[in-house]
Amino acid sequence: EAGVAQSPRYKIIEKRQSVAFWCNPISGHATLYWYQQILGQGPKLLIQFQNNGVVDDSQLPKDRFSAERLKGVDSTLKIQPAKLEDSAVYLCASSLREGIGRSYNEQFFGPGTRLTVL
Amino acid sequence: KQEVTQIPAALSVPEGENLVLNCSFTDSAIYNLQWFRQDPGKGLTSLLLIQSSQREQTSGRLNASLDKSSGRSTLYIAASQPGDSATYLCAVIGGSARQLTFGSGTQLTVLP
Repeated sequence: EAGVAQSPRYKIIEKRQSVAFWCNPISGHATLYWYQQILGQGPKLLIQFQNNGVVDDSQLPKDRFSAERLKGVDSTLKIQPAKLEDSAVYLCASSLREGIGRSYNEQFFGPGTRLTVL
Repeated sequence: KQEVTQIPAALSVPEGENLVLNCSFTDSAIYNLQWFRQDPGKGLTSLLLIQSSQREQTSGRLNASLDKSSGRSTLYIAASQPGDSATYLCAVIGGSARQLTFGSGTQLTVLP
């Protein structure tokens, strides 16, 4: 079974430029997550999709970050304009479905995109 | 707001040693707790998931325990090997959307 795919793996940009990341979740997984992991810290959830709808984007800096999952499969995360503090690894994860009741559906993570903003 | 703390931040041990990684969380109303491994330049690999009703889980040389009432979990690694060198992350699952809240990780180096 293919895992979560992300591209590009690495990206270097100047501050104030724009950048976009792409994620393809595991086939059949309804829930998709984007995380930001700053060096030396654990991943922080940016946005969670259930199919093509947003479940939670409370920690997404909406003045510069946007994300979409138009057909409920692939997703893109965009930063415009980028700041120095956006340098991080951006991880995408997917799960079969959102947790229901006391169940939890394991999240599977992609390799991440390492962004460096100069 | 849930906060997850991992101690120590870094650990270096000689090969063959048994070791314990610690994780604490502030809100005991969690559904599950999960331990991940992260290798440089790679994503996260799930190691063990403990349901809130369980006290421990084992997989090979790994054993994870959970004490919900005290807000603590430990990951025990027996007979450590250089291949165990990685960052180990603890995450708790909670909230209405069953979201993961991560600690900052423990960077483990096992010396040959």
